[in-house]
Amino acid sequence: AQSVAQPEDQVNVAEGNPLTVKCTYSVSGNPYLFWYVQYPNRGLQFLLKYITGDNLVKGSYGFEAEFNKSQTSFHLKKPSALVSDSALYFCAVRGNQAGTALIFGKGTTLSVSS
Amino acid sequence: NAGVTQTPKFRVLKTGQSMTLLCAQDMNHEYMYWYRQDPGMGLRLIHYSVGEGTTAKGEVPDGYNVSRLKKQNFLLGLESAAPSQTSVYFCASSPGLAGGRELFFGEGSRLTVL
Repeated sequence: AQSVAQPEDQVNVAEGNPLTVKCTYSVSGNPYLFWYVQYPNRGLQFLLKYITGDNLVKGSYGFEAEFNKSQTSFHLKKPSALVSDSALYFCAVRGNQAGTALIFGKGTTLSVSS
Repeated sequence: NAGVTQTPKFRVLKTGQSMTLLCAQDMNHEYMYWYRQDPGMGLRLIHYSVGEGTTAKGEVPDGYNVSRLKKQNFLLGLESAAPSQTSVYFCASSPGLAGGRELFFGEGSRLTVL
C-alpha cells in the first residue's frame, strides 16, 4: 500500500530565512510525487512534481523539492520565505501502476513571520 | 476559464437528509475524484472515476454514492447524512495517470450535518 507522511504539523520560519517542509513516502515501484498548497477557504493548488530525472525539481512561486530515493523523501524547500507563503502544504504520492489514485499526507501548516 | 466547479459551496443538513454535490469540469479530463478534508486528517479519497460510466471506491467510501453519467460531471451523493459526514469536500480532475499528471481541484463544498 502506498502512503505519505508529513512529520511536522506546523513549521515556523522568519521572513527571509530558508524553509523546509518535510515529506516521506512509501510506494511500490517508482513514485510520482507532488506538492500542493492550500490557502484559507480555497482549493488545493499544484506547486511541483517529481516524475523522473533530475532529483531537484523547481516549481511555482520559487519553491523547489529534492527527491531522495534512498531516504524515500521529497522535502519542499525555498531559499527565502515570504509572509505570503503562509499556508497549508500537502505532499502526495502515487505509484506508477495503472489505476492508482493520489494519496495525500495530513498537511503541514507553514507560518512565516515578518 | 472555469476549470473545476463545485456546487453548492455551503450546505447545512439535518441527520438523515439526503443531498447531492455536483462537480463539473471543462477541461475534457478523463479522471475525476472526490476527497474529503478533515482537520488533522489531510485529504482522504472517497470515490473516483477513470472515465464516463465508471466509478471506483477510495479509502473512505461508506455512506456515499457517486455517478459519472457524463464525462464532464461527477456527482457525490449522501443518501442519509450523518454528523460524521460534516466535512469539506473537494472534487478534482486529471487528464489521466500517464506521466504522473497532476490533479486540478475545485474550491470545495463545506457540508455541515446537524
